[in-house]
Amino acid sequence: ETGVTQTPRHLVMGMTNKKSLKCEQHLGHNAMYWYKQSAKKPLELMFVYNFKEQTENNSVPSRFSPECPNSSHLFLHLHTLQPEDSALYLCASQPVAGSTYEQYFGPGTRLTVT
Amino acid sequence: ELKVEQNPLFLSMQEGKNYTIYCNYSTTSDRLYWYRQDPGKSLESLFVLLSNGAVKQEGRLMASLDTKARLSTLHITAAVHDLSATYFCAVASPAYSGAGSYQLTFGKGTKLSVIP
Repeated sequence: ETGVTQTPRHLVMGMTNKKSLKCEQHLGHNAMYWYKQSAKKPLELMFVYNFKEQTENNSVPSRFSPECPNSSHLFLHLHTLQPEDSALYLCASQPVAGSTYEQYFGPGTRLTVT
Repeated sequence: ELKVEQNPLFLSMQEGKNYTIYCNYSTTSDRLYWYRQDPGKSLESLFVLLSNGAVKQEGRLMASLDTKARLSTLHITAAVHDLSATYFCAVASPAYSGAGSYQLTFGKGTKLSVIP
């Protein structure tokens, strides 16, 4: 158990739907990340939040909208997605203070866009 | 742009054999991570390598880092079936200056199958 939880674990949505993915950590970490993992590409960094401030947007389409209301919670709001957005979406958290800066990953949300 | 290359991408090996997975990266970094991923599961941290010459061992796995050569290796000794998984290396670079958060660039992963 890594201490990072994600809900839902599986999501099927149509291209016109709006849904949100949730990530939660109670490890006391201050940096949180969204990654996309698909069959065709290795893990791709999407967004980085550091102390609730977005510090990185890795050229992600605007149909993905992140939100970080506090250091423990991270959301990914989805709207008008495309079938190629089907993937495993992983959340990770990281302690900002510390020597290893190791990232801890949640179990992921398997998203299917129909 | 930091690039991370792993090889091989697929590895089928018999139980009891030894093998090495290689991770090469394109720009200077002194932080390298190895993760394991089982099918349908998330990433589990295996090793954190933070300096040139760092070597870490856990059970049948041993990881090393040569920052000058920009190379890390994951050595498998006397493989067993339970080691079957996909192994990723990830190289860290600062997400932005002075923040203390790091962006990880992942290799494509090595899918290891250990055959009885």
